[in-house]
Amino acid sequence: AQKVTQAQTEISVVEKEDVTLDCVYETRDTTYYLFWYKQPPSGELVFLIRRNSFDEQNEISGRYSWNFQKSTSSFNFTITASQVVDSAVYFCALSFDQTGANNLFFGTGTRLTVIP
Amino acid sequence: GAGVSQSPRYKVAKRGQDVALRCDPISGHVSLFWYQQALGQGPEFLTYFQNEAQLDKSGLPSDRFFAERPEGSVSTLKIQRTQQEDSAVYLCASSLRIGNEQFFGPGTRLTVL
Repeated sequence: AQKVTQAQTEISVVEKEDVTLDCVYETRDTTYYLFWYKQPPSGELVFLIRRNSFDEQNEISGRYSWNFQKSTSSFNFTITASQVVDSAVYFCALSFDQTGANNLFFGTGTRLTVIP
Repeated sequence: GAGVSQSPRYKVAKRGQDVALRCDPISGHVSLFWYQQALGQGPEFLTYFQNEAQLDKSGLPSDRFFAERPEGSVSTLKIQRTQQEDSAVYLCASSLRIGNEQFFGPGTRLTVL
């Protein structure tokens, strides 16, 4: 069975603090993809990152960084020096390398509030 | 426009009415997905098209839900005899090819009274 767990329902931080959003996944497939999406109050899901299961190298993009660890089935997301504009719901998602089907399995999301 | 567009953005229907939701994917994107997002939840998969072929409709909650993409571009999600439990945001996404990241539209918020 495929499952994505985001245990943190809501997080509040003060501006300029660092924050880590946790994501744990379950799958029996050896080839899969992991994603993070941001959903601001406007409602549109914004793609942030995609990783495949064979690439465990951590990635940094500006204030964003991602830590992928297959040993713990985790794909955590850190925002450094948070800003008010980072306030949104963040979703972790999982998909598979199958012809004919590549739908995303989403977690329940973490609502991040950055307080000025 | 360059992104995925959806119309209408908001739809209010009386219970029992039929509704049709439209999605215009990014030009050239082969894959198109529909998701349903209930309040406070993550999106849940409904159905998937590769060009005009509907390859997976396992997520459609009942036979009242029907989707089509006849020319491999624009897609329509139709819900017949709407029920209150159909109230949700319906999201459309497209991707260039299988396995690529999906780009989402703004969604249609459906409220069934």
